[in-house]
Amino acid sequence: EDQVTQSPEALRLQEGESSSLNCSYTVSGLRGLFWYRQDPGKGPEFLFTLYSAGEEKEKERLKATLTKKESFLHITAPKPEDSATYLCAVGGSQGNLIFGKGTKLSVKP
Amino acid sequence: EAGVVQSPRYKIIEKKQPVAFWCNPISGHNTLYWYRQNLGQGPELLIRYENEEAVDDSQLPKDRFSAERLKGVDSTLKIQPAELGDSAVYLCASGGNRDRDTGELFFGEGSRLTVL
Repeated sequence: EDQVTQSPEALRLQEGESSSLNCSYTVSGLRGLFWYRQDPGKGPEFLFTLYSAGEEKEKERLKATLTKKESFLHITAPKPEDSATYLCAVGGSQGNLIFGKGTKLSVKP
Repeated sequence: EAGVVQSPRYKIIEKKQPVAFWCNPISGHNTLYWYRQNLGQGPELLIRYENEEAVDDSQLPKDRFSAERLKGVDSTLKIQPAELGDSAVYLCASGGNRDRDTGELFFGEGSRLTVL
Protein backbone atom coordinates (compact mmCIF):
# COMPACT_ATOMS: atom_id res chain seq x y z
CA GLU A 1 0.00 0.00 0.00
CA ASP A 2 1.30 3.45 -0.95
CA GLN A 3 2.05 5.50 2.15
CA VAL A 4 3.52 8.88 3.07
CA THR A 5 4.74 9.82 6.56
CA GLN A 6 5.85 13.32 7.50
CA SER A 7 7.82 14.45 10.52
CA PRO A 8 7.77 16.34 12.72
CA GLU A 9 4.05 17.08 13.00
CA ALA A 10 4.86 20.61 14.15
CA LEU A 11 8.03 22.70 14.16
CA ARG A 12 8.61 26.04 15.82
CA LEU A 13 11.62 28.07 14.70
CA GLN A 14 13.03 31.47 15.41
CA GLU A 15 13.47 33.74 12.43
CA GLY A 16 16.78 32.84 10.78
CA GLU A 17 16.99 29.39 12.39
CA SER A 18 17.45 26.87 9.57
CA SER A 19 15.93 23.39 9.75
CA SER A 20 14.57 20.48 7.69
CA LEU A 21 11.25 18.70 7.30
CA ASN A 22 11.14 14.99 6.51
CA CYS A 23 8.88 12.98 4.22
CA SER A 24 9.34 9.20 4.08
CA TYR A 25 7.38 7.13 1.61
CA THR A 26 6.62 3.62 0.43
CA VAL A 27 5.20 3.35 -3.05
CA SER A 28 5.20 0.75 -5.78
CA GLY A 29 6.90 2.61 -8.60
CA LEU A 30 7.50 6.26 -7.70
CA ARG A 31 5.96 8.56 -10.28
CA GLY A 32 7.11 11.67 -8.49
CA LEU A 33 7.45 13.25 -5.04
CA PHE A 34 5.62 16.54 -4.62
CA TRP A 35 5.74 19.32 -2.05
CA TYR A 36 2.87 21.71 -1.37
CA ARG A 37 2.41 24.62 1.00
CA GLN A 38 -0.94 25.24 2.69
CA ASP A 39 -1.85 28.44 4.53
CA PRO A 40 -4.75 28.45 7.04
CA GLY A 41 -8.11 28.55 5.30
CA LYS A 42 -6.55 28.06 1.86
CA GLY A 43 -6.04 25.19 -0.53
CA PRO A 44 -2.57 23.67 -1.00
CA GLU A 45 -0.18 25.53 -3.29
CA PHE A 46 2.27 23.58 -5.44
CA LEU A 47 5.99 24.03 -4.69
CA PHE A 48 8.15 21.28 -6.22
CA THR A 49 8.23 18.00 -8.10
CA LEU A 50 11.14 15.57 -7.68
CA TYR A 51 11.44 12.49 -9.88
CA SER A 52 14.61 10.62 -9.04
CA ALA A 53 17.04 10.06 -6.19
CA GLY A 54 19.66 12.78 -6.00
CA GLU A 55 17.46 15.42 -7.56
CA GLU A 56 17.22 18.83 -5.90
CA LYS A 57 14.93 21.82 -6.46
CA GLU A 58 15.17 25.30 -4.94
CA LYS A 59 12.80 28.20 -4.51
CA GLU A 60 13.81 31.20 -2.43
CA ARG A 61 14.61 29.86 1.08
CA LEU A 62 13.34 26.35 0.32
CA LYS A 63 15.29 23.43 -1.08
CA ALA A 64 13.81 19.98 -1.65
CA THR A 65 15.94 16.86 -1.98
CA LEU A 66 15.07 13.24 -2.72
CA THR A 67 16.55 9.84 -1.85
CA LYS A 68 15.15 6.39 -2.58
CA LYS A 69 13.15 6.35 0.65
CA GLU A 70 12.60 9.94 1.71
CA SER A 71 12.58 13.58 0.84
CA PHE A 72 13.71 16.59 2.82
CA LEU A 73 12.50 20.14 2.64
CA HIS A 74 15.31 22.36 3.88
CA ILE A 75 14.41 25.85 5.05
CA THR A 76 17.33 28.27 5.21
CA ALA A 77 17.07 31.40 7.36
CA PRO A 78 13.27 31.24 7.54
CA LYS A 79 11.08 34.31 7.88
CA PRO A 80 7.66 34.61 9.59
CA GLU A 81 5.98 34.54 6.18
CA ASP A 82 7.27 30.98 5.72
CA SER A 83 4.86 29.86 8.46
CA ALA A 84 2.44 27.35 6.94
CA THR A 85 1.71 23.65 6.75
CA TYR A 86 3.97 21.85 4.31
CA LEU A 87 2.46 18.81 2.64
CA CYS A 88 4.34 16.02 0.91
CA ALA A 89 2.65 13.78 -1.67
CA VAL A 90 3.60 10.90 -3.94
CA GLY A 91 2.14 9.84 -7.24
CA GLY A 92 0.09 6.72 -6.50
CA SER A 93 -0.28 3.61 -8.64
CA GLN A 94 -3.83 4.72 -9.57
CA GLY A 95 -2.62 8.02 -10.97
CA ASN A 96 -3.67 10.13 -8.00
CA LEU A 97 -1.67 12.02 -5.37
CA ILE A 98 -1.31 10.49 -1.91
CA PHE A 99 -0.69 13.15 0.71
CA GLY A 100 0.98 12.97 4.09
CA LYS A 101 -0.51 14.68 7.13
CA GLY A 102 1.80 17.64 6.82
CA THR A 103 4.24 19.52 9.04
CA LYS A 104 2.96 22.73 10.59
CA LEU A 105 5.80 25.25 10.61
CA SER A 106 5.74 28.35 12.80
CA VAL A 107 8.48 30.95 12.46
CA LYS A 108 8.63 33.53 15.21
CA PRO A 109 10.23 36.95 14.68
CA GLU B 1 -5.87 34.20 -14.82
CA ALA B 2 -8.66 33.16 -12.48
CA GLY B 3 -7.94 30.27 -10.16
CA VAL B 4 -10.16 27.38 -9.11
CA VAL B 5 -13.39 28.77 -7.70
CA GLN B 6 -15.43 26.93 -5.10
CA SER B 7 -18.69 27.70 -3.36
CA PRO B 8 -19.95 27.94 -0.76
CA ARG B 9 -16.90 28.67 1.40
CA TYR B 10 -18.74 27.64 4.54
CA LYS B 11 -21.80 25.50 5.17
CA ILE B 12 -23.44 24.46 8.44
CA ILE B 13 -26.22 21.89 8.30
CA GLU B 14 -28.05 19.47 10.54
CA LYS B 15 -27.30 15.77 10.14
CA LYS B 16 -29.45 13.97 7.59
CA GLN B 17 -29.77 17.15 5.52
CA PRO B 18 -28.42 17.32 1.94
CA VAL B 19 -25.60 19.61 0.85
CA ALA B 20 -23.94 20.43 -2.46
CA PHE B 21 -20.62 21.98 -3.37
CA TRP B 22 -19.73 23.60 -6.66
CA CYS B 23 -16.39 23.93 -8.42
CA ASN B 24 -15.29 25.92 -11.45
CA PRO B 25 -11.80 24.78 -12.55
CA ILE B 26 -9.15 26.79 -14.36
CA SER B 27 -10.11 27.31 -17.98
CA GLY B 28 -8.66 24.64 -20.22
CA HIS B 29 -7.85 22.16 -17.46
CA ASN B 30 -9.25 18.78 -18.40
CA THR B 31 -8.65 17.00 -15.09
CA LEU B 32 -10.66 17.81 -11.98
CA TYR B 33 -10.34 16.37 -8.51
CA TRP B 34 -12.43 16.43 -5.36
CA TYR B 35 -10.48 15.92 -2.14
CA ARG B 36 -11.64 15.79 1.47
CA GLN B 37 -9.40 17.18 4.19
CA ASN B 38 -10.08 16.46 7.85
CA LEU B 39 -8.56 18.65 10.53
CA GLY B 40 -4.86 17.94 10.94
CA GLN B 41 -4.79 15.54 8.01
CA GLY B 42 -3.68 15.69 4.40
CA PRO B 43 -6.19 15.80 1.55
CA GLU B 44 -7.72 12.45 0.54
CA LEU B 45 -8.99 11.86 -2.97
CA LEU B 46 -12.72 11.32 -3.41
CA ILE B 47 -13.03 11.37 -7.18
CA ARG B 48 -10.98 12.28 -10.25
CA TYR B 49 -12.37 13.35 -13.61
CA GLU B 50 -10.72 13.46 -16.98
CA ASN B 51 -12.99 15.69 -19.01
CA GLU B 52 -16.50 14.35 -18.31
CA GLU B 53 -15.42 10.85 -17.28
CA ALA B 54 -14.95 9.82 -13.67
CA VAL B 55 -11.74 7.78 -13.99
CA ASP B 56 -11.21 7.12 -10.28
CA ASP B 57 -14.11 7.12 -7.82
CA SER B 58 -12.93 4.19 -5.72
CA GLN B 59 -12.77 6.30 -2.54
CA LEU B 60 -16.16 7.98 -2.99
CA PRO B 61 -18.76 6.68 -0.47
CA LYS B 62 -21.37 6.01 -3.09
CA ASP B 63 -24.21 5.34 -0.67
CA ARG B 64 -24.40 9.04 0.19
CA PHE B 65 -21.98 10.92 -2.05
CA SER B 66 -22.44 11.72 -5.72
CA ALA B 67 -20.61 13.91 -8.17
CA GLU B 68 -21.02 15.10 -11.69
CA ARG B 69 -19.06 17.12 -14.21
CA LEU B 70 -21.33 18.29 -16.95
CA LYS B 71 -19.74 19.26 -20.29
CA GLY B 72 -16.31 18.63 -18.80
CA VAL B 73 -16.13 22.00 -17.04
CA ASP B 74 -17.89 22.74 -13.74
CA SER B 75 -18.44 20.04 -11.17
CA THR B 76 -20.82 19.45 -8.29
CA LEU B 77 -20.28 17.21 -5.27
CA LYS B 78 -23.37 16.22 -3.30
CA ILE B 79 -23.87 14.55 0.05
CA GLN B 80 -27.27 13.16 0.94
CA PRO B 81 -27.90 12.57 3.78
CA ALA B 82 -25.00 14.18 5.64
CA GLU B 83 -23.57 12.52 8.75
CA LEU B 84 -21.58 14.00 11.62
CA GLY B 85 -18.40 12.39 10.27
CA ASP B 86 -18.72 14.30 7.00
CA SER B 87 -17.57 17.51 8.68
CA ALA B 88 -14.41 18.46 6.79
CA VAL B 89 -13.05 20.79 4.14
CA TYR B 90 -13.91 19.72 0.60
CA LEU B 91 -11.23 20.80 -1.84
CA CYS B 92 -11.52 20.97 -5.59
CA ALA B 93 -8.41 20.94 -7.76
CA SER B 94 -7.72 21.03 -11.47
CA GLY B 95 -4.74 20.19 -13.61
CA GLY B 96 -3.58 20.39 -17.19
CA ASN B 97 -2.75 17.52 -19.47
CA ARG B 98 0.48 16.70 -17.67
CA ASP B 99 -0.60 17.01 -14.05
CA ARG B 100 -0.33 13.25 -13.51
CA ASP B 101 3.36 13.53 -14.28
CA THR B 102 4.18 16.90 -12.79
CA GLY B 103 1.93 16.62 -9.73
CA GLU B 104 1.07 20.27 -10.20
CA LEU B 105 -2.52 20.65 -9.15
CA PHE B 106 -4.26 23.96 -8.61
CA PHE B 107 -6.53 23.94 -5.58
CA GLY B 108 -9.48 26.10 -4.70
CA GLU B 109 -9.86 27.58 -1.23
CA GLY B 110 -12.20 24.77 -0.22
CA SER B 111 -15.70 24.45 1.20
CA ARG B 112 -15.79 23.93 4.96
CA LEU B 113 -18.71 21.74 6.02
CA THR B 114 -19.93 21.49 9.58
CA VAL B 115 -22.60 18.89 10.33
CA LEU B 116 -24.43 19.37 13.64
